[in-house]
Order: sequence, then structure tokens, then C-alpha cells
Amino acid sequence: SYDLTQPPSVSVSPGQTASITCSGDKLGHNHVCWYQQKPGQSPVLVIYQHDKRPSGIPERFSGSNSGNTATLTISGTQAMDEADYYCQAWDSNIVVFGGGTKLTVL
Amino acid sequence: QVQLVESGGGVVQPGRSLRLSCAASGFTFSTYGMHWVRQAPGKGLEWVAITSIEGSNKNYADSVKGRFIISRDNSKNTLYLQMNSLNTEDTAIYYCAKGDISGWYLDYWGQGTLVTVSS
Repeated sequence: SYDLTQPPSVSVSPGQTASITCSGDKLGHNHVCWYQQKPGQSPVLVIYQHDKRPSGIPERFSGSNSGNTATLTISGTQAMDEADYYCQAWDSNIVVFGGGTKLTVL
Repeated sequence: QVQLVESGGGVVQPGRSLRLSCAASGFTFSTYGMHWVRQAPGKGLEWVAITSIEGSNKNYADSVKGRFIISRDNSKNTLYLQMNSLNTEDTAIYYCAKGDISGWYLDYWGQGTLVTVSS
């Protein structure tokens, strides 16, 4: 099976840059995206196709993907960005999620 | 706007069956792949199943293969998940999600329906 590894937690101060990584074999050649999930809410797509933002997602969200690691970067992190973040990729015709990273803004 | 509304969740005994539904609106349902994703209490996201546009191609997570069946009725704009031989590990919020135009990403999610498997 294909595994995606994320750090369980990341902390950042307001206004600073948060980086969340997602590691997997040859991930740079996969179709990677990121979801944000706030408590009690459904996931929201925030980055797709490595570095594209859906309509309505703030510019402070960006993504990159190379080699075995994809990275979600939040510049000028705000309190409202505190949430769980999940990366997603594919293993043949099967969708795979990373274990999730809890972003704390403090 | 895109809306996905799941229903059919509830409390069910181990070994029993349950069918979930997802009513779609705000987009041309018959032209997008659709997914089911679940989330056990306090846990991460777990992908469950995908169906192609016409329902001819389906794939499942190993954890549900042989027990769950994903299907769709394009005339009713509705996605289904038939869950058989349920066990306590199937307890989760079940989300339906729409595949995007490329087919690689899940661009809209429903609010989820809770399934609790308990005796």
C-alpha cells in the first residue's frame, strides 16, 4: 500500500509562516492536493495540482511538490487557519490520505 | 451552488446492513466521478470508494472491499453506499464528495452522516 506521512502537529505564531509536509514515494510524480478541516466541519480543498488554489481560498495558501515531499505553506498565518490539514494522492486507482496535521496558531 | 446532502446514517448492530444516500444539486451530476470518504471519531480521513461517471468503474478501499457497494442513479442525481456486514470499526462520519473536472481531486464535500455500529 502507498503511505503518506505527515507530522501530527505544527505550531506557528500569528503572522508567521507555517509549513506542513507530506512524504510519500515519488510523490512529486503524483497528483497531490491539500484539505483543511476545522472542528465539526467538512473538509475543504485548499490546494490542488501541487500549487493551485480553488476560488475563494486566500493567497496566503500555497503548495509545492518535488521528489518525495509535498509542502503546504501558509504565509502570514491567521488564527482562522487553525485546523487539521490532510494531503491526498493516488495509489493506482485508489485515493490515499495522509494522517493529518493539526495546525495550532499561538 | 454545489450541494451534497447525505442521509441514511444511524445506529446499527454489528453484522447488519445500512444504505447511505447523497443527494446532489447545483452541478451536472452525471458528468463527475463521486467518492465516499469516512472519518472515525477523533481520527483522520479514510477514503472508502469511488464510482465513475456512469457507474461502470468502481474501486474500494481494502477495508471495505467485498462488504460495501457504491452506486449512483444519474436520473435522480443521487449517490449511494450499501454497507453490509458492518462491524464496530465502520463507526464513522461518512462524507460524499464530488470529483473535480480532472478526476484527481475532491472539490466539494457534503456535511456527512454519522454511522454508529454498536450492539
